[in-house]
Amino acid sequence: GENVEQHPSTLSVQEGDSAVIKCTYSDSASNYFPWYKQELGKRPQLIIDIRSNVGEKKDQRIAVTLNKTAKHFSLHITETQPEDSAVYFCAANRGGSYIPTFGRGTSLIVHP
Amino acid sequence: GAGVSQSPSNKVTEKGKDVELRCDPISGHTALYWYRQSLGQGLEFLIYFQGNSAPDKSGLPSDRFSAERTGGSVSTLTIQRTQQEDSAVYLCASSPTVGQGYGYTFGSGTRLTVV
Repeated sequence: GENVEQHPSTLSVQEGDSAVIKCTYSDSASNYFPWYKQELGKRPQLIIDIRSNVGEKKDQRIAVTLNKTAKHFSLHITETQPEDSAVYFCAANRGGSYIPTFGRGTSLIVHP
Repeated sequence: GAGVSQSPSNKVTEKGKDVELRCDPISGHTALYWYRQSLGQGLEFLIYFQGNSAPDKSGLPSDRFSAERTGGSVSTLTIQRTQQEDSAVYLCASSPTVGQGYGYTFGSGTRLTVV
């Protein structure tokens, strides 16, 4: 089955810096890669996603890149703000399955 | 409804008792998913429904866990003879249909504590 590795588990940055979270996946048939943000005590929320026919997607301060050959994808947050502090989960859809496999999460802390 | 609703939001139960957790998905969403999140951990897949059918039950931890969905809407996750290791937040999510390319909308979860 699909295996998704996410790094780092914790990321601490200063306000205004950039943050990068990386995920790798094992199933070359995976073709949908969503990212979720979970603030403390709240539900996970979809913030951006990318499909395998696209190499990069941007939405204001966040962007996601995908390298199908290397089977890794990354979330980039620029000009970080304290409200970006949360746990971020990546996911990849298993080939032949409609159920995504989630990474273990990255706790992002943005210091004012 | 406007979002995914879960009830109860918190449940404390004694070890050995049965519990039922309810999920009401977004109106019109045919796909419904159950996940479990232990303290500080990731999202553990339990089961999903397409309509009233559950094609993938592979994530259910044991035969004490079961789920059903009726009318293509509300789903109930039942845990029988609860154990302390069942303590976690149980999250429900829905999407327009099952298929790659649909993100989830999650509910706020039910925090289950088994004492």
